[in-house]
Amino acid sequence: GQQLNQSPQSMFIQEGEDVSMNCTSSSIFNTWLWYKQDPGEGPVLLIALYKAGELTSNGRLTAQFGITRKDSFLNISASIPSDVGIYFCAGLGGTSYGKLTFGQGTILTVHP
Amino acid sequence: GAGVSQSPRYKVAKRGQDVALRCDPISGHVSLFWYQQALGQGPEFLTYFQNEAQLDKSGLPSDRFFAERPEGSVSTLKIQRTQQEDSAVYLCASSLEGGWYGSYNEQFFGPGTRLTVL
Repeated sequence: GQQLNQSPQSMFIQEGEDVSMNCTSSSIFNTWLWYKQDPGEGPVLLIALYKAGELTSNGRLTAQFGITRKDSFLNISASIPSDVGIYFCAGLGGTSYGKLTFGQGTILTVHP
Repeated sequence: GAGVSQSPRYKVAKRGQDVALRCDPISGHVSLFWYQQALGQGPEFLTYFQNEAQLDKSGLPSDRFFAERPEGSVSTLKIQRTQQEDSAVYLCASSLEGGWYGSYNEQFFGPGTRLTVL
């Protein structure tokens, strides 16, 4: 099935470093979402973006909705060990009821 | 807790067996989604319910997959004659409403059922 192209696939960083990951699509989406998934759990919403060009922050997280509506990025500043997990982008569009299309995920490892 | 719950959390089936996976959404949530997450991949949409009506089943990979939500609350995903390629985590999500009304109606995910087909 269709998935968004998310990169990088994995990142190994030191505590305190900043992280950036992005997501691209061949299709336009009306809403971009970023989720975090911990082992054995379902994804949890971090940030939702509704307008092209929108830049939104949630604590140490900042995300942007690309102007073309075909891409988005997520930045995490000053990473801490609890940031470890898998981050997914997701696009919402094409239906009226909230069907999500997910990226393949970015595995983040933070070394203390 | 008041979150989405799924059972069983783990299921091992022999190829050819039928399985049934249960989802208890958050009370009062109208919309319910099923996703399939293969190892190392993001979730992929399977089907969508608004109350008891199954409005989209376009993501179901074959006619061996069947989902129901007869009373508009609990949902069951059934897989008949399981195959090895069915091995995955099956995630259920619910939201208060369906649709996009100028803001996203957040989908709350359950912990998933990990299905292993031998």
